[in-house]
Amino acid sequence: DAMVIQNPRYQVTQFGKPVTLSCSQTLNHNVMYWYQQKSSQAPKLLFHYYDKDFNNEADTPDNFQSRRPNTSFCFLDIRSPGLGDAAMYLCATSRERGYYEQYFGPGTRLTVT
Amino acid sequence: AQSVTQLGSHVSVSEGALVLLRCNYSSSVPPYLFWYVQYPNQGLQLLLKYTTGATLVKGINGFEAEFKKSETSFHLTKPSAHMSDAAEYFCAVSSDSNYQLIWGAGTKLIIKP
Repeated sequence: DAMVIQNPRYQVTQFGKPVTLSCSQTLNHNVMYWYQQKSSQAPKLLFHYYDKDFNNEADTPDNFQSRRPNTSFCFLDIRSPGLGDAAMYLCATSRERGYYEQYFGPGTRLTVT
Repeated sequence: AQSVTQLGSHVSVSEGALVLLRCNYSSSVPPYLFWYVQYPNQGLQLLLKYTTGATLVKGINGFEAEFKKSETSFHLTKPSAHMSDAAEYFCAVSSDSNYQLIWGAGTKLIIKP
């Protein structure tokens, strides 16, 4: 089945230690998104790639970076995680922007100790 | 600017009873409307969407929603609740001029046996 895969599902990192979360898709979608979701809140868009074009949200901290080396893969790098970065990180894809629905991966739960 | 309001952070219904989750939106352009469901520690799954055409939209798991432009609403219903429907439900809006999904705060659906 075509899908969005996130690894790992659970990640524990230390305060200030860089961490990378990965996302892959078999849907061949043009757009890939990274969201941060804290407990009992709506997802918050961090950035998205439209093909190779990177689009950063204005309020996304510089501590968060992303890479999309090819259509299938996208990475979220957190350069110096703080305690406030503990959250669920969701990757999503869509065929195009606009009215196309987004397909979500299962998420990576990040714990910062 | 677009916005979404979900009435009720928690909704509790008895098994077999009608489920009604309310969503009102604000949009100055024709909206695209979505309902997503999220089970604990999972990603989000699309239940249904409205783009154009028929205003009554049927989705998965027996859910449906009706787009009412005059009321700026897109309420989600299911005739008979099942225990497996217990989850968090998010309403979201986008448009051709704003590709980004604008999310409601979410409603946690609790099913009483």
